[in-house]
Amino acid sequence: GAVVSQHPSWVICKSGTSVKIECRSLDFQATTMFWYRQFPKQSLMLMATSNEGSKATYEQGVEKDKFLINHASLTLSTLTVTSAHPEDSSFYICSARERGLRNEQFFGPGTRLTVL
Amino acid sequence: AQSVTQLGSHVSVSEGALVLLRCNYSSSVPPYLFWYVQYPNQGLQLLLKYTSAATLVKGINGFEAEFKKSETSFHLTKPSAHMSDAAEYFCAVSMNTGFQKLVFGTGTRLLVSP
Repeated sequence: GAVVSQHPSWVICKSGTSVKIECRSLDFQATTMFWYRQFPKQSLMLMATSNEGSKATYEQGVEKDKFLINHASLTLSTLTVTSAHPEDSSFYICSARERGLRNEQFFGPGTRLTVL
Repeated sequence: AQSVTQLGSHVSVSEGALVLLRCNYSSSVPPYLFWYVQYPNQGLQLLLKYTSAATLVKGINGFEAEFKKSETSFHLTKPSAHMSDAAEYFCAVSMNTGFQKLVFGTGTRLLVSP
């Protein structure tokens, strides 16, 4: 149990286009989902926290208009990178926190974004 | 503010040798502490967590970690390394008010040689 999926696993896009990444909790309800960004050989940096049905909370320095987060249901959150540029190329990882007693984050496999 | 420091970006061991990955934390409140493993191009998998119960925590794949408040440490150990243990390991801290925001260390790459 407690599986989190991400789609796509990798994406290549042209500069200026928008890319949507989906994060799904497959077998549990996720009251909170987190989006992280990981640069090569570096740690994970939290970008934003989203609670189902409410606006995401962004970390300092993260442009909310560039990284649009929607958490429309208890099993789905999306991250849209708008007007992507090469500097947005990175590994994006989501995690989901289960509603209920098991208060733990479960991580998705990540999405590799390359912007040409 | 909370933070974790992982000493050593790379640790190399021989297969069968002891694995020791160091993590020191800084927290103004009693913390929750975690160790995660990441294989290439994959997400993170929880190895173990400390949530103020037993100070010696046993995790998956033979790993364990000991919470030492006096040393503000949470080092990860495994008695005998296996080739499959080669991966990136991250220590993380969270406030003990629930598994809220995780603050990750910079990671330690474990290399295992035959």
